[in-house]
Amino acid sequence: DIQMTQSPSSLSASVGDRVTITCRASQSISSYLNWYQQKPGKAPKLLIYAASSLQSGVPSRFSGSGSGTDFTLTISSLQPEDFATYYCQQSYSTAMYTFGQGTKLEIK
Amino acid sequence: QVQLVQSGAEVKKPGASVKVSCKASGYTFTSYGISWVRQAPGQGLEWMGWISAYNGNTNYAQKLQGRVTMTTDTSTSTAYMELRSLRSDDTAVYYCAREIEGPPYYFDYWGQGTLVTVSS
Repeated sequence: DIQMTQSPSSLSASVGDRVTITCRASQSISSYLNWYQQKPGKAPKLLIYAASSLQSGVPSRFSGSGSGTDFTLTISSLQPEDFATYYCQQSYSTAMYTFGQGTKLEIK
Repeated sequence: QVQLVQSGAEVKKPGASVKVSCKASGYTFTSYGISWVRQAPGQGLEWMGWISAYNGNTNYAQKLQGRVTMTTDTSTSTAYMELRSLRSDDTAVYYCAREIEGPPYYFDYWGQGTLVTVSS
């Protein structure tokens, strides 16, 4: 299975900060990398697909980049509603999709 | 608007089975796949498998092979996930998600989740 490793596991930041979360795959996954946001007690929400494509309706302060094994999710200016847990997911291996362990973004 | 509405919470004893439903609306059901993802309490997301709503083809995570069955009923636009021989570590929130059948592949809409508790 392709292992996905996110860093950091948790992060404290303030409203207005620029934040970057990284995701590393155990092998090349081309650009088949998706990012989801999950708030407590809620289902995940798609933010970015195919590494850098912004899902319809998602604010433009979210952006994704990378290819191969290294990817980043950037929030350009944190808003109060952005405090949540973020997951990356590889869809390169359709036999077995895998998620990162999550990054919990907390208010400083 | 696209909606996936799941069945309610379940409490099961070890060794029992559970069947969770996911009713889709707002789109052509047979044009997309459905994946199932679970999340144990306080843990991350685990993909369980996928079913094509077009032809019923399935692909299950290896660790669940033999215990999980995914089906669809196109007449009611409903997907089902059955998990057998339940163990305490199957306690989790189970989500269905609409899968864009690319490439690229991704989950663009999710159900609200169904809590399955396995306890004696």
